[in-house]
Amino acid sequence: EAGVAQSPRYKIIEKRQSVAFWCNPISGHATLYWYQQILGQGPKLLIQFQNNGVVDDSQLPKDRFSAERLKGVDSTLKIQPAKLEDSAVYLCASSPGSRGEQYFGPGTRLTVT
Amino acid sequence: QQPVQSPQAVILREGEDAVINCSSSKALYSVHWYRQKHGEAPVFLMILLKGGEQKGHDKISASFNEKKQQSSLYLTASQLSYSGTYFCGTEGGGGYNKLIFGAGTRLAVHP
Repeated sequence: EAGVAQSPRYKIIEKRQSVAFWCNPISGHATLYWYQQILGQGPKLLIQFQNNGVVDDSQLPKDRFSAERLKGVDSTLKIQPAKLEDSAVYLCASSPGSRGEQYFGPGTRLTVT
Repeated sequence: QQPVQSPQAVILREGEDAVINCSSSKALYSVHWYRQKHGEAPVFLMILLKGGEQKGHDKISASFNEKKQQSSLYLTASQLSYSGTYFCGTEGGGGYNKLIFGAGTRLAVHP
């Protein structure tokens, strides 16, 4: 079974630029999560989708971050414009239902200069 | 709201035991445990649901005391492969599997 795929793996941008990350969850997984992990900290949930609907985006900085999950499968997370404090690893995870084990992708390491 | 993990770091010799604790100020529905190696994605270890159960996976086990809102991860006869950062993720209910992760416990196992 293929795992969660993410791209790109690394991205370096200047502040005020925009960037987009892509995630392909495990086939059949209804729930998709985007996390931000700052160095030395635990993952922080940004947004959670159930199929193609948002169930939680309470910690998503909506003035600069946006996310969508088209057709309930792939998802993209966008930052526009980026700030220095957005430097982090962005992890995508998926789970079969609304409960249970979450499977994480390899992450995208973003550096904002 | 973020669960508190202790200790922050542990250094072990192969074969030694360790306990990692996770404590929340809120009522919990479940506790998840993950291990993350440097530069890699977190990997699921186990879930403990409300009910005070204890689970085991090889020589790694965990307990969940819902009354105290605490969970502990037990690593026995540690192996080099156990090295990494351990995170607990707590779920407060609501049906959406929303996890709040602790800051992590760094574990280093040496020969």
